[in-house]
Amino acid sequence: EDKVVQSPLSLVVHEGDTVTLNCSYEVTNFRSLLWYKQEKKAPTFLFMLTSSGIEKKSGRLSSILDKKELFSILNITATQTGDSAVYLCAVLVRGSTLGRLYFGRGTQLTVWP
Amino acid sequence: DAGVIQSPRHEVTEMGQEVTLRCKPISGHDYLFWYRQTMMRGLELLIYFNNNVPIDDSGMPEDRFSAKMPNASFSTLKIQPSEPRDSAVYFCASSLDPRLGSSYEQYFGPGTRLTVT
Repeated sequence: EDKVVQSPLSLVVHEGDTVTLNCSYEVTNFRSLLWYKQEKKAPTFLFMLTSSGIEKKSGRLSSILDKKELFSILNITATQTGDSAVYLCAVLVRGSTLGRLYFGRGTQLTVWP
Repeated sequence: DAGVIQSPRHEVTEMGQEVTLRCKPISGHDYLFWYRQTMMRGLELLIYFNNNVPIDDSGMPEDRFSAKMPNASFSTLKIQPSEPRDSAVYFCASSLDPRLGSSYEQYFGPGTRLTVT
């Protein structure tokens, strides 16, 4: 069963638009939620969120977690063609097997000039 | 820092052959992960090690897959015999112990693109 569900699966926008990517999860013993960006190579880390309601920000990217409603959003403002990538959401589960990440399928973002 | 190193970057082999993928984690990282990524299933965790010991191998698809970590700086993922459905990109990632700090980031290698014909 899917533990981490991302939406939309794909998104096409023009430069300058603002986008919101969604990630919902259903796991036991939630520890943290992570966002990764994957261009045509390996995923690279963006954010880790552990507490509800605290926004994390890096330039034009920001993310927030809602542990009550079990979801997170990733916002990108003033998008650029370089933002085109697959954005992956992953959930870290607390427990005896530390370190296991459950990944969503990703959102394919395409930014046109 | 060279990051996580994987070899080969591309591998094309025939069905039935043995395939060995290699990974060198970032020095000092306690955890090493092997993932497989396909269009159909996305990114899946196959197995991970802590201090060279396999902790969770529940993602290994079947007995044809095996992984070893003989020391802190080297791991292998072996498929024997390989099948066309094993075609995918295989990523290795490493991280510090998440219990030691507030950040938990896995650093991914460039991946090995495996094609089994």
